[in-house]
Amino acid sequence: DSGVTQTPKHLITATGQRVTLRCSPRSGDLSVYWYQQSLDQGLQFLIQYYNGEERAKGNILERFSAQQFPDLHSELNLSSLELGDSALYFCASSRGGALSDTQYFGPGTRLTVL
Amino acid sequence: DAKTTQPTSMDCAEGRAANLPCNHSTISGNEYVYWYRQIHSQGPQYIIHGLKNNETNEMASLIITEDRKSSTLILPHATLRDTAVYYCIHRGPKDNAGNMLTFGGGTRLMVKP
Repeated sequence: DSGVTQTPKHLITATGQRVTLRCSPRSGDLSVYWYQQSLDQGLQFLIQYYNGEERAKGNILERFSAQQFPDLHSELNLSSLELGDSALYFCASSRGGALSDTQYFGPGTRLTVL
Repeated sequence: DAKTTQPTSMDCAEGRAANLPCNHSTISGNEYVYWYRQIHSQGPQYIIHGLKNNETNEMASLIITEDRKSSTLILPHATLRDTAVYYCIHRGPKDNAGNMLTFGGGTRLMVKP
């Protein structure tokens, strides 16, 4: 158990819909990262927040957005969903953002878009 | 993007040491080498990381060559539960302020009875 929690575990929805994925970091961690893992793309970094502020952006679509709240939990919002958005979405957290700060991953949310 | 090269797959007998190689010839002096593994579709699990020196923890040992262009992850006594995809990642300031992890294809380790 990494200490990072993600809800829901599974999500099934239809194309065009909007969903929200939730992540609670480990106690004391200020950074939250979101990653997407699809069959054809592997694990890809989407976005990072540090203490409520966006820190870094990766291959995140404009239909996707995220935020980190004052209690440090984070939400990833996916809108206008397409079949290709079906994937595993992982959240990770670290103490800060330094190179030596290890990222610990949650169990993931499996999103299926029908 | 940070690039590492790993064998696509490896087999190991249960109880034997598993030695997983990784090539990171473009690594620079301030970049760390991180190892994670992913068992089936679970979240990636942190194993170990290092900068220049060899490292050991309760899970594994990390041997980094003197020129830092390659490393080996050693699982001293592999068990069936060690069957997973192992990712070697090097992580440095040029990776989007050093925060992201860039995952490659990894090595699929199969531990056999």
